[in-house]
Amino acid sequence: GENVEQHPSTLSVQEGDSAVIKCTYSDSASNYFPWYKQELGKRPQLIIDIRSNVGEKKDQRIAVTLNKTAKHFSLHITETQPEDSAVYFCAAQTNTGNQFYFGTGTSLTVIP
Amino acid sequence: EAGVAQSPRYKIIEKRQSVAFWCNPISGHATLYWYQQILGQGPKLLIQFQNNGVVDDSQLPKDRFSAERLKGVDSTLKIQPAKLEDSAVYLCASSFGREKQYFGPGTRLTVT
Repeated sequence: GENVEQHPSTLSVQEGDSAVIKCTYSDSASNYFPWYKQELGKRPQLIIDIRSNVGEKKDQRIAVTLNKTAKHFSLHITETQPEDSAVYFCAAQTNTGNQFYFGTGTSLTVIP
Repeated sequence: EAGVAQSPRYKIIEKRQSVAFWCNPISGHATLYWYQQILGQGPKLLIQFQNNGVVDDSQLPKDRFSAERLKGVDSTLKIQPAKLEDSAVYLCASSFGREKQYFGPGTRLTVT
């Protein structure tokens, strides 16, 4: 089955700096890659997603890039703010049974 | 639009007892997922339904876990008997098509 690896597991940045979280996947048939933000004790919230026929997608301060050849995708957050502090999960969806496989999460702390 | 509903929000049981969780997906969403999220880890898919049929239950410990979605809407997940290692947050998610799944608030289970 699909295996998703995520790095780093923890990330601290100064407010206003950029943060980058990277994921790799193993199944070349996966074709949809969402990112979720999970605040402590709350549900995961979809923040951005990308399909395999697109290389980059941006939504205000958040962007995702995908390299299908290398099987990796990254989340970029610019001008970070304290409210960006949370755990971020990447995921990959297979195009066979449509299952989602999640990374292990990155705990982002934005220091004011 | 109402979100995914889950109950109870918290449950504490002793090992070897039974427990059941309930999920009501977003109206019209045909696909329903149950995930187990152990503290510090990403969600792990337990079972996926398409309407009232099971798409994938390969990671469901079938000797103790069961799930059903009889009318293709609400779903229940049961654990019988519970073990200490079942302590986790159980997340339900739903999606209309194959992408953009939305999560419920989760049920935090503590097995003592």
